[in-house]
Amino acid sequence: GAGVSQSPSNKVTEKGKDVELRCDPISGHTALYWYRQSLGQGLEFLIYFQGNSAPDKSGLPSDRFSAERTGGSVSTLTIQRTQQEDSAVYLCASSLAPRTSGRRTGELFFGEGSRLTVL
Amino acid sequence: DAKTTQPNSMESNEEEPVHLPCNHSTISGTDYIHWYRQLPSQGPEYVIHGLTSNVNNRMASLAIAEDRKSSTLILHRATLRDAAVYYCILRDNNAGNMLTFGGGTRLMVKP
Repeated sequence: GAGVSQSPSNKVTEKGKDVELRCDPISGHTALYWYRQSLGQGLEFLIYFQGNSAPDKSGLPSDRFSAERTGGSVSTLTIQRTQQEDSAVYLCASSLAPRTSGRRTGELFFGEGSRLTVL
Repeated sequence: DAKTTQPNSMESNEEEPVHLPCNHSTISGTDYIHWYRQLPSQGPEYVIHGLTSNVNNRMASLAIAEDRKSSTLILHRATLRDAAVYYCILRDNNAGNMLTFGGGTRLMVKP
């Protein structure tokens, strides 16, 4: 079956431009997560959606970052006025709803990521 | 999520077993122990998880100490494809599904 799909896979932009990164979760997964990973670093949590609402936005690094999710499916992460320190791989993951019955409840499925380079 | 401690890196020979340790001395009673791994240039993938009892699946085994303050991920026969960063993560199932990733252990497999 289809996994988590992210686009674009690579994006090169100039400092100050806005970028949009898209995530298509696995069908039926109500939870969606954005992480970013700078070169050689671990994963940094950005935001989490349950359905269309975001109960946890604590990881967004600044007000230049925003995310939305419509129809309980596709999510878009927008970075305005990009800076060089925004360069990273942005990873999206999806999962079944918390506390869903089943032994593998809560397993996160990750996409391949969108590599953003800000010149 | 409670903190975990893992060695930065480990080496293994191909076809030999690998034991990847994780300390989590502040684990709470509702924390599950999850392991994910990240192959080069890929997103992380789920490996295994457990609460109290040892667990086995097609990828690995998870051995959990009786006091739950440590656990060990066991790869029974390492292959070159198992070279990855392995993350040990505690997650409270009552607090949602978000995972907090630490530094992980970089496993290198020698042919």
